[in-house]
Amino acid sequence: DIQMTQSPSTLSASVGDRVTITCRASQNINNWLAWYQQKPGKAPKLLIYRASSLESGVPSRFSGSGSGREFTLTISSLQPDDSATYYCQQYDDYSSFGQGTKLEIK
Amino acid sequence: VQLVQSGAEVKKPGASVKVSCKASGYTFTRYYIHWVRQAPGQGLEWMGIINPSGGSTSYPQQFQDRVTMTRDTSTSTVYVELSSLRSEDTAVYYCARDRGDIEVVGAAYDALDIWGQGTLVTVSS
Repeated sequence: DIQMTQSPSTLSASVGDRVTITCRASQNINNWLAWYQQKPGKAPKLLIYRASSLESGVPSRFSGSGSGREFTLTISSLQPDDSATYYCQQYDDYSSFGQGTKLEIK
Repeated sequence: VQLVQSGAEVKKPGASVKVSCKASGYTFTRYYIHWVRQAPGQGLEWMGIINPSGGSTSYPQQFQDRVTMTRDTSTSTVYVELSSLRSEDTAVYYCARDRGDIEVVGAAYDALDIWGQGTLVTVSS
């Protein structure tokens, strides 16, 4: 099984900050990686697929990068609406999720 | 394009539960459906995938013995059934569409672009 590890687990930042979340896979996942945003009581929302492709309708302040085993989600200028939990997901071999990163706005 | 799931369920330990997910707004047989669950206050856990066209399924080892995914093409509905329920199965269960068109990507998985609203399953004696 491929294990996905996110860091940090929690993050507090101010509006306008640049924020980065990291996701590491236990083996090479060939860029088959997605990022999701989840708000309380809601289903996850797809932000990024194939490591760096922005899903239609997602604000351009969100971006993804990385390859092989290490990936990042960056929010270039944090907005109040970005307060949420973020998950990475690999789909190279079956599928699995990271444990999540809770992002709070100061 | 949407996925609409059945309502909340309360089950006793040892029982089974079957949750439905009805698709609309796209060609049902061209996109895989995944099931993902989330225990209260916890992260997301992948439960498996079904090909709505042929009905083939794939489950991770931790669910192999207890989960069954099926589909009904006449109603564009997929189902997940979990047996031998225990308290740890209390969770919100989501269906989600794979964004890859099966006729284009074949057997490869992709990210999950459309999600159902979730179904709360509570297991309690």
